[in-house]
Amino acid sequence: GQQVMQIPQYQHVQEGEDFTTYCNSSTTLSNIQWYKQRPGGHPVFLIQLVKSGEVKKQKRLTFQFGEAKKNSSLHITATQTTDVGTYFCAGLFGNEKLTFGTGTRLTIIP
Amino acid sequence: DAGITQSPRHKVTETGTPVTLRCHQTENHRYMYWYRQDPGHGLRLIHYSYGVKDTDKGEVSDGYSVSRSKTEDFLLTLESATSSQTSVYFCAIHGQGTDTQYFGPGTRLTVL
Repeated sequence: GQQVMQIPQYQHVQEGEDFTTYCNSSTTLSNIQWYKQRPGGHPVFLIQLVKSGEVKKQKRLTFQFGEAKKNSSLHITATQTTDVGTYFCAGLFGNEKLTFGTGTRLTIIP
Repeated sequence: DAGITQSPRHKVTETGTPVTLRCHQTENHRYMYWYRQDPGHGLRLIHYSYGVKDTDKGEVSDGYSVSRSKTEDFLLTLESATSSQTSVYFCAIHGQGTDTQYFGPGTRLTVL
């Protein structure tokens, strides 16, 4: 089946530092979505990217979709303790079901 | 959050026993999904449903069955639980008019 690779698996940053997680697919995606899961919680939808080269921002979070629609990134500027959690990308291949990446667990060192 | 509940929220059972997890939604959405979440594997699709009595397999369906007799309920059954099925199970529903999914609170299942 189709796969979405996500790196890194873990990231520890000092509070105030930036954070980036990356997703890659070997085949073109119809769209890519990002979810956040707080410790002990459930995944919550953040955003969806559809267009080639698309960039969207939500306050300190910047989401990008690659020109070839095979990769995406989530960048957080000046991390805060509220950013702690696991960030998942999820890719849609054609009309198939969403395929989730393995997630990046972000921990913040105060 | 979308109106999704899961029951039970926690369960400990023994190998070989049957287990049924329930997902209930109040949104009248057509699509419902069952995922399992394990460290290093992210979220993996077990089964999904695209309507009453319409279900299909996901990537990790072996050892699991599902049923959907009403729009609002999607049941996941482990006919004979094994230790490899110890996991956190999430139900999700398909948002109206989009591809985005809304997740329930999860069920933590431990098979001893």
